[in-house]
Amino acid sequence: QVQLQESGPGLVKPSQTLSLTCTVSGGSISSGSYYWSWIRQPAGKGLEWIGRIYTSGSTNYNPSLKSRVTISVDTSKNQFSLKLSSVTAADTAVYYCASGLDGGFDYWGQGTLVTVSS
Amino acid sequence: DIQMTQSPSSLSASVGDRVTITCQASQDISNYLNWYQQKPGKAPKLLIYDASNLETGVPSRFSGSGSGTDFTFTISSLQPEDIATYYCQQYDNLPPQYTFGQGTKLEIK
Repeated sequence: QVQLQESGPGLVKPSQTLSLTCTVSGGSISSGSYYWSWIRQPAGKGLEWIGRIYTSGSTNYNPSLKSRVTISVDTSKNQFSLKLSSVTAADTAVYYCASGLDGGFDYWGQGTLVTVSS
Repeated sequence: DIQMTQSPSSLSASVGDRVTITCQASQDISNYLNWYQQKPGKAPKLLIYDASNLETGVPSRFSGSGSGTDFTFTISSLQPEDIATYYCQQYDNLPPQYTFGQGTKLEIK
């Protein structure tokens, strides 16, 4: 059973870069046809897909965030990462890593709260 | 971009009731539609994939139907443990992106 765990700072200052890592266990990030995504959820609000990466390194991003987002993969560590630059208070949210085949998300991390504040 | 309109935004029902949630896409998405359950403080859980397929281990009281632009999620007999927020999610591959509905918060009457 694949398990995902997010890690990273819980507090980021405005204008700085938010960096999170998702560690995959119970399976290899390189195997199969899974895509590895980041999704966020502001408090009391809905879910927003941020972007995804395939094990080949190819990426797709939400157009509304594309200019600020970079997702990368480290197969040697079985991890993938998110960087979101120039953050503002609007980026405060619970950030989830998730994975699945092409259309949806079978596996989710527990989520990590990131607050943008000085 | 494809927009998803989910309704209602909240719903109150009694144990044993049949509950229906709808999701409408702004354009034809074939059957690229999934449904998730999210309980407070937890990550979403996939219940239905490709509009009508029940994820392994999910109780059979949950079901989904529809194709094209109109989709329905049904709980045939509401149980206390079904209290959660439910989201639809569509997948578009040109370009690849995912969009969630606004969510439906389900409460016990």
